[in-house]
Amino acid sequence: GQSLEQPSEVTAVEGAIVQINCTYQTSGFYGLSWYQQHDGGAPTFLSYNALDGLEETGRFSSFLSRSDSYGYLLLQELQMKDSASYFCAVRDRTGANNLFFGTGTRLTVIP
Amino acid sequence: DVKVTQSSRYLVKRTGEKVFLECVQDMDHENMFWYRQDPGLGLRLIYFSYDVKMKEKGDIPEGYSVSREKKERFSLILESASTNQTSMYLCASSLSPGRFPLHFGNGTRLTVT
Repeated sequence: GQSLEQPSEVTAVEGAIVQINCTYQTSGFYGLSWYQQHDGGAPTFLSYNALDGLEETGRFSSFLSRSDSYGYLLLQELQMKDSASYFCAVRDRTGANNLFFGTGTRLTVIP
Repeated sequence: DVKVTQSSRYLVKRTGEKVFLECVQDMDHENMFWYRQDPGLGLRLIYFSYDVKMKEKGDIPEGYSVSREKKERFSLILESASTNQTSMYLCASSLSPGRFPLHFGNGTRLTVT
């Protein structure tokens, strides 16, 4: 089976940088994805890492270390609109056609 | 832009009723999914389908069934609704999950009384 661990809540100040960590256990890892979900909205895709290293998309970056079974999402220059829940999700061999999601991290950005 | 449309935003049903949740996508994706989302539990996969008439159980299939008669449509069926099925249900589609995004519908908030 799979298991994912991420912090349940994070609070950060507008303009700052925040890192949301995700550790996983799977039997045959393919990749780690990140999704953002605003209250009342649908989850939306942010990033996907299949190989070790950092992927950058604007203010958001995602990192993966397969040897450590660990990844993180980095949000820079935080804005109030970044307040949302963030989910990591793994794709592995047991469910190559589906994603297994973590329980989510609620990010609150304060002025 | 990919559009995934769920037929109802809010639904209230009685215990024991048969409930149909409908989902349609317009991007010719092979893969479609039904998740339920509950506070503190994240998104849990109920069923998915990788082709017409094909279905696979997810992590919590008990009490649910699905139907995929056409590529664009994936239905979730609660054979006999129970109060513990009160939840937010999210449908999604994808070319290939992980490498390609899951595109989610806006969800159906189902309340079973």
